[in-house]
Amino acid sequence: TQLLEQSPQFLSIQEGENLTVYCNSSSVFSSLQWYRQEPGEGPVLLVTVVTGGEVKKLKRLTFQFGDARKDSSLHITAAQPGDTGLYLCAGPNSGGGADGLTFGKGTHLIIQP
Amino acid sequence: GAGVSQSPRYKVTKRGQDVALRCDPISGHVSLYWYRQALGQGPEFLTYFNYEAQQDKSGLPNDRFSAERPEGSISTLTIQRTEQRDSAMYRCASWGGAPPEAFFGQGTRLTVV
Repeated sequence: TQLLEQSPQFLSIQEGENLTVYCNSSSVFSSLQWYRQEPGEGPVLLVTVVTGGEVKKLKRLTFQFGDARKDSSLHITAAQPGDTGLYLCAGPNSGGGADGLTFGKGTHLIIQP
Repeated sequence: GAGVSQSPRYKVTKRGQDVALRCDPISGHVSLYWYRQALGQGPEFLTYFNYEAQQDKSGLPNDRFSAERPEGSISTLTIQRTEQRDSAMYRCASWGGAPPEAFFGQGTRLTVV
């Protein structure tokens, strides 16, 4: 099983600040996904990155896939209290998900108003 | 239904009892995953199926845990002789869509007293 390490584990910042969270592995992934989970709910997909070096933007969220496809980052600009949640990265072990889907332990983000 | 359905939503059981947790995935999704999730942590992989075949059960904590998906659709995770340490949120996800992503159910909150 390929491991995904997320950092930081916890992050609490003030509204309006910028932040970056990281997802790293020693293994190459065919793609990586970022999910957001709110309390009491299951994770919900935010984005999938497939190509090394790819950058995707979702409003104030910018996702990047490393050139070697071993890491990814999520950058949030001008964080809002509504961004609070558990952010998870996940990747298929091989074969596009048919051989198992690995999740990182997550970054617990709190945005203080 | 349109999403992944899990039942029961909450289960309180006495130590030593057996429990069966049910997952009804999105129709047509080949892959079904079982995860266990502690509060504030990412999902911990337990096992997964492609159709009715259990592909990987390396995440099952011990032999008290078993899972089946006899007709390639609904799956049951069974925990025998429950112990307090089994208390957790158990989540099921089915993998599919274009591009593919994991769709999570609401989970079953298991409490062993």
